[in-house]
Amino acid sequence: QKEVEQNSGPLSVPEGAIASLNCTYSDRGSQSFFWYRQYSGKSPELIMSIYSNGDKEDGRFTAQLNKASQYVSLLIRDSQPSDSATYLCAVRAGKSTFGDGTTLTVKP
Amino acid sequence: DVKVTQSSRYLVKRTGEKVFLECVQDMDHENMFWYRQDPGLGLRLIYFSYDVKMKEKGDIPEGYSVSREKKERFSLILESASTNQTSMYLCASSFSGGAYGYTFGSGTRLTVV
Repeated sequence: QKEVEQNSGPLSVPEGAIASLNCTYSDRGSQSFFWYRQYSGKSPELIMSIYSNGDKEDGRFTAQLNKASQYVSLLIRDSQPSDSATYLCAVRAGKSTFGDGTTLTVKP
Repeated sequence: DVKVTQSSRYLVKRTGEKVFLECVQDMDHENMFWYRQDPGLGLRLIYFSYDVKMKEKGDIPEGYSVSREKKERFSLILESASTNQTSMYLCASSFSGGAYGYTFGSGTRLTVV
């Protein structure tokens, strides 16, 4: 079992819809959770971090954390074509462990 | 604008050459990391460093070494380049402590022929 698993993609949603990206992790001692966005041919960029159970909102992005169930999710509301990218989930306990990513395509 | 700078965007080297990839950050970060990214394999950690002159092996250190003589600079060395080391190499840095995310450099696309 991988330490960090993301829902297999690719994920395709129409413009204006909600995109839901999910991630589960195996290390119960993990304390910090991150989402990175990676455009094709570019390097990953940190877009969200979350440390406590519940929701954290930043503009159109909401990160959700449930430590008891060991999952993290990222919701993108009012999805735009510019949101089309690969999204990486990372869990940090010392150094970060990354999931393999979910590729999102938002269709106009 | 804070950033992580990798010395080359594209690099072509011959099999058997010694290759140096340089990474410099201007954010006073304690931690620095080297990853390689290959299609279908995700990000794989090669080496990391929590402080000057300190280094730790990651998941795939074979064929690589690192050097960190100054806080802001972390170098990745391919001792004898091989074709299976053709990849995208990403440097990242962060503050120490688990609460911080990483800032990545723009990457070096290395091709070994």
